[in-house]
Amino acid sequence: DAKTTQPNSMESNEEEPVHLPCNHSTISGTDYIHWYRQLPSQGPEYVIHGLTSNVNNRMASLAIAEDRKSSTLILHRATLRDAAVYYCILRPLTDSWGKLQFGAGTQVVVTP
Amino acid sequence: DTGVSQDPRHKITKRGQNVTFRCDPISEHNRLYWYRQTLGQGPEFLTYFQNEAQLEKSRLLSDRFSAERPKGSFSTLEIQRTEQGDSAMYLCASSPPSGGQETQYFGPGTRLLVL
Repeated sequence: DAKTTQPNSMESNEEEPVHLPCNHSTISGTDYIHWYRQLPSQGPEYVIHGLTSNVNNRMASLAIAEDRKSSTLILHRATLRDAAVYYCILRPLTDSWGKLQFGAGTQVVVTP
Repeated sequence: DTGVSQDPRHKITKRGQNVTFRCDPISEHNRLYWYRQTLGQGPEFLTYFQNEAQLEKSRLLSDRFSAERPKGSFSTLEIQRTEQGDSAMYLCASSPPSGGQETQYFGPGTRLLVL
């Protein structure tokens, strides 16, 4: 299975953008890139996903490198509520309903 | 609240006892997943149901673990003869029937402590 690599932690000031990198150099052509986050004492929640093109939703933006070997989750204006562990996950097209394979994720700390 | 619910939220038990956790998925979600999460790690997949059929089990799911979803609605996860290494957060998630890349919706988890 393709793996992802993320920094252990990142810090940001409130109301500033946060760019969370994810490396996935062994990604296959049909792997989707998903991001979930886990707030303290809660289960993970979906953030965004994409295949090749950049994606935007109300929570974040996902920028995918042209060679798809890396991606960046962008939180445009971090709030204290965005302090969480962010997970970058690859999901094969052929296993769209199957398990999510989480790594250790990136702990985002937001300071006022 | 129409999200995924789990019961109990916390469980303390003594080594060797049996425990059972319940998960109620979002209504009409036909897929249900169990994960386990230890401190500082991401969730690890345990098992997955489509309706009442258990389609995949992780090798983490030893013989002491059993999961059921008898009517394709709620699910239970039982751990027999608990060990201290079973202490973890047990997460349940569900997803709807659709064409693919479906979001999984997680419950708040059941935190188990085995003394």
